[in-house]
Amino acid sequence: KNEVEQSPQNLTAQEGEFITINCSYSVGISALHWLQQHPGGGIVSLFMLSSGKKKHGRLIATINIQEKHSSLHITASHPRDSAVYICAATYSGGGADGLTFGKGTHLIIQP
Amino acid sequence: GAGVSQTPSNKVTEKGKYVELRCDPISGHTALYWYRQSLGQGPEFLIYFQGTGAADDSGLPNDRFFAVRPEGSVSTLKIQRTERGDSAVYLCASSPWWGAEQYFGPGTRLTVT
Repeated sequence: KNEVEQSPQNLTAQEGEFITINCSYSVGISALHWLQQHPGGGIVSLFMLSSGKKKHGRLIATINIQEKHSSLHITASHPRDSAVYICAATYSGGGADGLTFGKGTHLIIQP
Repeated sequence: GAGVSQTPSNKVTEKGKYVELRCDPISGHTALYWYRQSLGQGPEFLIYFQGTGAADDSGLPNDRFFAVRPEGSVSTLKIQRTERGDSAVYLCASSPWWGAEQYFGPGTRLTVT
């Protein structure tokens, strides 16, 4: 069964802290996605990666194919980073053709 | 350019009624996806269209749910005999082709009373 698991479910941190959100997935993905969802807002794609590391501003996403694990890092966190971060996977070769989502990590950055 | 749009943004209906939810994808995107997100949960896949055809409808929960995309652009998700358990945010996403980055619409919040 295709599965995506995230941790932690909830994370509260102080402004400026380095944030890490973890994601593990079952074998068979073609790509791993990190998404952001603000309360009452739509979903925005942050990263799509199949190997290595990607960086955009203060956000960094890494993936380790052998360990079936990905991390999203936020450097110098800011209250505007408060949102739900969702890990999702595209599975190839069986299973649903849409994304398989984790349950999300609810991040709160306090000033 | 315009992103993915969904209408209505909110829909309140009575149990047993029929509803239609519309998705207007980004122009030129051949792949279109419908997802459902219940409160406090991650989204769940419902159906994927490649062009006009439903390439994968394995996520539709039962035969009360049906979706069409007759001209390969706008898609409509149709729910018959709505139940209170159908209450959720219905999300639409599109991408240039299957497996590419997906662009999400703002969602339609459906409430069945």
